[in-house]
Amino acid sequence: EPEVTQTPSHQVTQMGQEVILRCVPISNHLYFYWYRQILGQKVEFLVSFYNNEISEKSEIFDDQFSVERPDGSNFTLKIRSTKLEDSAMYFCASSRDREKLFFGSGTQLSVL
Amino acid sequence: AQSVTQLDSHVSVSEGTPVLLRCNYSSSYSPSLFWYVQHPNKGLQLLLKYTSAATLVKGINGFEAEFKKSETSFHLTKPSAHMSDAAEYFCVVSEGGGYQKVTFGTGTKLQVIP
Repeated sequence: EPEVTQTPSHQVTQMGQEVILRCVPISNHLYFYWYRQILGQKVEFLVSFYNNEISEKSEIFDDQFSVERPDGSNFTLKIRSTKLEDSAMYFCASSRDREKLFFGSGTQLSVL
Repeated sequence: AQSVTQLDSHVSVSEGTPVLLRCNYSSSYSPSLFWYVQHPNKGLQLLLKYTSAATLVKGINGFEAEFKKSETSFHLTKPSAHMSDAAEYFCVVSEGGGYQKVTFGTGTKLQVIP
């Protein structure tokens, strides 16, 4: 079965640094999402992306965050200046028709 | 506003015995409800979903869930646990037709004892 691929699996960064989390969605999917899960808390919706633009975002997704589909296959989440509270597991997901979501295995981001 | 509560953070069962993972939700609209499973070091996998058709929903790996509007519940069950069922399970509610904005429960870790 096709998979959503996320790299890296673990990312350690210093507070204030920029990070880019990468995702390769399933090739014929049209809808793309980022979620995150802070340790011990719920999985939270960050942003959804369709037709090369953000279709919805949560209050968490402030100006420090951005998403991009730079080359038709990758889907990236950038955090401009990381804070300690950005430490979390970040999940990418994609969907062909919004009826079934496929998630990647996540990137564990640790901000020191 | 929508919310979802998973009543147990940990559930432990013996192999071959039934599994019950509890989920209650609140929603202003007719919600869509989902159960996802996450095995260690793996992504989230959809087990089953309810989208206003039959109230008893069958999923993969022998799991099923029943939507009970009067109780605002969507509990996940399986008649006989396997060792491979050990994982974390998430109940998810969405008020929209798709996944534009969903709310995850805090998860239930299922332990299966041989």
